[in-house]
Amino acid sequence: QVQLVQSGAEVKKPGASVKVSCKASGYTFTSYYIHWVRQAPGQGLEWMGIINPSGGSTSYTQKLQGRVTMTRDTSTGTVYMELSNLRSDDTAVYYCARDGGGMMPFDYWGQGTLVTVSS
Amino acid sequence: DIQMTQSPSSLSASVGDRVTITCRASQSISSYLNWYQQKPGKAPNLLIYAASSLQSGVPSRFSGSGSGTDFTLTISSLQPEDFATFFCQQSYNTPRTFGQGTKVEIK
Repeated sequence: QVQLVQSGAEVKKPGASVKVSCKASGYTFTSYYIHWVRQAPGQGLEWMGIINPSGGSTSYTQKLQGRVTMTRDTSTGTVYMELSNLRSDDTAVYYCARDGGGMMPFDYWGQGTLVTVSS
Repeated sequence: DIQMTQSPSSLSASVGDRVTITCRASQSISSYLNWYQQKPGKAPNLLIYAASSLQSGVPSRFSGSGSGTDFTLTISSLQPEDFATFFCQQSYNTPRTFGQGTKVEIK
C-alpha cells in the first residue's frame, strides 16, 4: 500500500535551518510528483512547493523563495524539504503529499512533522 | 494565484442534518476542485475530486457539485464521525491553493 512516512518533530531556534524527510513506499517513486504543505497552529493549509522525483525539478511559492529547498534521493525513495533562516511564524506542521497526476488531487499524505521555532 | 473562498468558516449542526459548504474560485477552474476532511492532529483526507467524484472508501453521504467558479460539498445526513474541518483546493494550476476551511461542530 502507498505510504509517505515523515521524520519526527523538530525544535529549532530562530535563524536556524530544518530538514524534513518524506519516505515513499508502495508505488514507483519517480512516477508521482510530491508537494509540501504546511499548517500553522489553528490555521489553514498553505502550499509550499512541488518536486518532480524523476528529474528533481522544483517550483516554490513566491513567499518562501530563497528560503526553501526541496530535493530527492531516488536510491531511497525519499524527498526532503529544507527551510532556512527560520522565524517564529514558521512554526507549523509540515506535510508531504503525493500528487495524483495531471490535475488530480493530493491522494496520499504523510503523517505530518511539527516544527517549532522558539528561542 | 487563484484565490479560494469558502463559506461559512464554521457551522454548528446536529447528527442527521443536511450540511452544505460552498467554495468559490477567483477565476474559472473548470472542474478541478477537490475536497478534504481534516480531523484534529491528523493529515487531511481526500473526500471528493474533480468536483463531484467520490474518492474510494468515502461514504456516499458525501457529494460534490459545481464547475467554473462555484462549488458545493454536501453531507446528506451528518454522522458523529463527520465533525471536522473541511477544505476545498483547486488543482487547475500551481500554486495549488486551498480555501481557508470550514469547521463543522456539534450543535
